[in-house]
Amino acid sequence: SQQGEEDPQALSIQEGENATMNCSYKTSINNLQWYRQNSGRGLVHLILIRSNEREKHSGRLRVTLDTSKKSSSLLITASRAADTASYFCATDGGTSYGKLTFGQGTILTVHP
Amino acid sequence: GAVVSQHPSWVICKSGTSVKIECRSLDFQATTMFWYRQFPKQSLMLMATSNEGSKATYEQGVEKDKFLINHASLTLSTLTVTSAHPEDSSFYICSASWGATEAFFGQGTRLTVV
Repeated sequence: SQQGEEDPQALSIQEGENATMNCSYKTSINNLQWYRQNSGRGLVHLILIRSNEREKHSGRLRVTLDTSKKSSSLLITASRAADTASYFCATDGGTSYGKLTFGQGTILTVHP
Repeated sequence: GAVVSQHPSWVICKSGTSVKIECRSLDFQATTMFWYRQFPKQSLMLMATSNEGSKATYEQGVEKDKFLINHASLTLSTLTVTSAHPEDSSFYICSASWGATEAFFGQGTRLTVV
């Protein structure tokens, strides 16, 4: 079953603006990951944040994790048209590492 | 980094036939592999977890007799969609992990049943 819920479901912005996507989950986790998926293609792993971490950066990406609220956010700064894609959060919370529960995803459209 | 190769990347088959999808870990031994399915405009849903040398564990609602999973070696797992029907058309993607590590995804397979 899908544990994560993401909002917004769709986000449309102009190039250069920042994009923020949120993810909520229900059970305890080992880590939370964010993926990007271009239409009809495979997954691109963006960033992994462990349950004992609160914030992580990678290039133009910033991820926060609040385990008390069971939520995470992904911020993409200075967005580009090439960032247009679907973004999914995925939680890894069981005893079997690597078994992921995906959120519903956010469709991001960046207009040039 | 760890590489997982999935083959084929796309396949079209006739209704009633079976299709096999392979998932290989190229540079590590995968003790566990996972199979997911994604319908158009939806998220990924876990279908089953397979451990090398043992039977796969299927998620609720996934027919184990229809989706046969074999994980005969530490580098290869296969998913066979038996007697495929148009409603089985979907994007199937595998991931592999070893021990307490994150999983690495294959490129996915787009199955179209006509």
